[in-house]
This record gives sequence, C-alpha cells and structure tokens, in this order.
Amino acid sequence: EAQVTQNPRYLITVTGKKLTVTCSQNMNHEYMSWYRQDPGLGLRQIYYSMNVEVTDKGDVPEGYKVSRKEKRNFPLILESPSPNQTSLYFCASSSPRGPYGTQYFGPGTRLLVL
Amino acid sequence: KQEVTQIPAALSVPEGENLVLNCSFTDSAIYNLQWFRQDPGKGLTSLLLIQSSQREQTSGRLNASLDKSSGRSTLYIAASQPGDSATYLCAVSSNPEYGNKLVFGAGTILRVKS
Repeated sequence: EAQVTQNPRYLITVTGKKLTVTCSQNMNHEYMSWYRQDPGLGLRQIYYSMNVEVTDKGDVPEGYKVSRKEKRNFPLILESPSPNQTSLYFCASSSPRGPYGTQYFGPGTRLLVL
Repeated sequence: KQEVTQIPAALSVPEGENLVLNCSFTDSAIYNLQWFRQDPGKGLTSLLLIQSSQREQTSGRLNASLDKSSGRSTLYIAASQPGDSATYLCAVSSNPEYGNKLVFGAGTILRVKS
C-alpha cells in the first residue's frame, strides 16, 4: 500500500530536549515536505526536499532542521524545542512526474512542548 | 505572496442536500489546485487535483472546478451524507520547483446531519 508514515504519532516533551520526528514514504517520490498546522494559521510549510541531499527552507523554518540522506526518509529535527513549536506536524511526499504532483500526507504527529 | 481563502468557514446541512464549497486564491499563476479532506485528529486525504490547464475533475459524488483567470475553485458535493462530515481544505501549488509547496486555505468545516 502506498503510504507516508510518521513516528511518533504523539509526543510530549520539555523545553530544550532534542527530538526527531521520522517520516518515510514507499512511493519512490523525489519531493518531500514538512508542514505544521496551527489553529487560525492553517498549514504552513517548514522545509522541503527536492531529492537526496537537496533541502531548502519553507515559510516557517526557524527552530527546525531536516536531512535527506535516503530517498524514502525525511526526518524533522527540533534541536531545542520551545513551547511555540507545540503543533500538529505533517509530512508529505509527491513526484514531479505523474500523477501530476498529487501530494500524499502522513497521519500527523501531535507535539506538545512544556 | 499567494493567499488562499475558503468560504464558508463552517457549513451545516441536512443529509441529501447538494452543497458547494468555495476557494479563492490571489495569484492566478498556479501549477495545480488540490482539495483535501481532514477528519478530526487525522491526516489529510487527497480528494481531487486539478491541473492549471484543466477546468474540472470528478470523482464519484465530488466535482471540483477551476477558473484560474478569476482565481476561484469550487468543490461540489452531491447528495451529501453524514460520512462527508469533515474539514475540507483547498491548496494551491504555484511552482513545482519548491518541492510542490502547497499554500492552504483555512478550511471549511462541514457537518451533515442525519
């Protein structure tokens, strides 16, 4: 089954404690992105990757890091989490080829930073 | 900067009614437009994707139209059912070079009463 998986699904942590949210896709997609969803602000892109070892900032990259060492994986790293990073996070993947850029989203990771 | 607006913010209808959700965007230079469904606490499910060269797409009881020149899209749901209750999100991709970055609207919360 074609899918995007994220782990963990729920996470409670404390300010300053480094954490990583993993994302993996099995569709051989070149493009992967991270979004955060906040009430009243909608979904906003944090970082994206066009292919292995190619990443760039989205609209709200402050406080986040990413890496793309393998095509299927795109982890999101919070080196020193702060309460304003409490949010619902989604990983997405797509291909520049067919079917015409349809994006597939993971189930989401709900993060609470105390 | 691309901005996406969805109207109405919330909608409550009786079962069986046909309904229309509206989406508008400020920059008509889009690559594609995608409609998603989001259930509470869940991820995003892609419903329909319309390429910038297309006028509409259909899937079952759903029909999405696109008028790129006026910056508008509509999602038509025929014979609504309680299972259609969810948040519907409209998103546009302006340039596949940015990892197929999507700019989202705030969504329409739909409730279909049985």
